[in-house]
Amino acid sequence: AQSVTQPDIHITVSEGASLELRCNYSYGATPYLFWYVQSPGQGLQLLLKYFSGDTLVQGIKGFEAEFKRSQSSFNLRKPSVHWSDAAEYFCAVALLDDYKLSFGAGTTVTVRA
Amino acid sequence: EADIYQTPRYLVIGTGKKITLECSQTMGHDKMYWYQQDPGMELHLIHYSYGVNSTEKGDLSSESTVSRIRTEHFPLTLESARPSHTSQYLCASSDTSGGNTGELFFGEGSRLTVL
Repeated sequence: AQSVTQPDIHITVSEGASLELRCNYSYGATPYLFWYVQSPGQGLQLLLKYFSGDTLVQGIKGFEAEFKRSQSSFNLRKPSVHWSDAAEYFCAVALLDDYKLSFGAGTTVTVRA
Repeated sequence: EADIYQTPRYLVIGTGKKITLECSQTMGHDKMYWYQQDPGMELHLIHYSYGVNSTEKGDLSSESTVSRIRTEHFPLTLESARPSHTSQYLCASSDTSGGNTGELFFGEGSRLTVL
């Protein structure tokens, strides 16, 4: 069955430290890949996306993600976390020509001073 | 900049009432979606539309219904609300014409509580 897995439910990180959020997918073909962020009481905002080409993708707010086909992963990273990065992060996938996104369960990020 | 609006943002209502959650987008996007979101769970697609007069059910079964009479408007209706319908409902749209990539733009959500 097709699925998106975010293994970490909750991550706590110190301000200024690096952050990595994991995402694994199980699909027959390489899907389109997305990372979204949701602040409390808000909708989802796109951080970055991967369709093809360079496997290291740059996004907004200093985030980047790397697609690894061999590991079926699309992990999100940020070198230095700011307090405003505290939010919930969702990985999502969509198949070619099927624009219905499937989402993981999300990872909640807490930033401590 | 995406412009997609949901009303109401918050709604508390009694069992058995009929409710309509409104969703409008001003970007002329052809595709629109409703997702249901519960704490700690993935977003579940409950309805989608690929254009006017086109609606389909999503992966998660829902007792709600939708309509798409105009491109910009995609309301969701519950004829008789129950406590099990308590959730956050997120509306989204995307533009896949002209080779665009189909990323979703989300509204801020409607949080429904049924007592």
